[in-house]
Amino acid sequence: SQQGEEDPQALSIQEGENATMNCSYKTSINNLQWYRQNSGRGLVHLILIRSNEREKHSGRLRVTLDTSKKSSSLLITASRAADTASYFCATGLYNTDKLIFGTGTRLQVFP
Amino acid sequence: DVKVTQSSRYLVKRTGEKVFLECVQDMDHENMFWYRQDPGLGLRLIYFSYDVKMKEKGDIPEGYSVSREKKERFSLILESASTNQTSMYLCASNPIITGIDTQYFGPGTRLTVL
Repeated sequence: SQQGEEDPQALSIQEGENATMNCSYKTSINNLQWYRQNSGRGLVHLILIRSNEREKHSGRLRVTLDTSKKSSSLLITASRAADTASYFCATGLYNTDKLIFGTGTRLQVFP
Repeated sequence: DVKVTQSSRYLVKRTGEKVFLECVQDMDHENMFWYRQDPGLGLRLIYFSYDVKMKEKGDIPEGYSVSREKKERFSLILESASTNQTSMYLCASNPIITGIDTQYFGPGTRLTVL
């Protein structure tokens, strides 16, 4: 079952610009996570935000969570060509160790 | 660092063959997961194991089985491969720590069934 839907599906920007990706979900969550996937590789965890948090920062990443709207956004500031990848949100639910992943946003950063 | 390894990066099999995909993690994690990833569909959970010899079906278990004889190893088995099982297969693991369910992924196996 698909929980997270990312928007946009694809995003192309120039180096130095900011990239914003959005994730919407359907049910109550314990936490929301963002992962990155380079082409043809496994996923790498970027950041986790708990349901009682509204904003979190890690380096050039900023994540917000609005539980009333069941949505989250990932902002990458001052993007670099090396940020080119697919980005997935994943929701962690209560009483389970499973995650439900969205369909991802493909980010292309041009030098 | 947590390391999750998968036995093959690329695999080509024929329809009807029995296929084994192996996953090993070195961090003594209790939970292990198998996903398949297809364009436009994201990651879909096939099976999940929370302990040795314990398993739970995910969203798309049909046509697959799993084996977990040792804590560090989780195998995905395609009993009789079909072309619609051509996909990227991703293994992941995480420890049982309440409230922390970050998953650690292997590099993936791209399986082609001819």
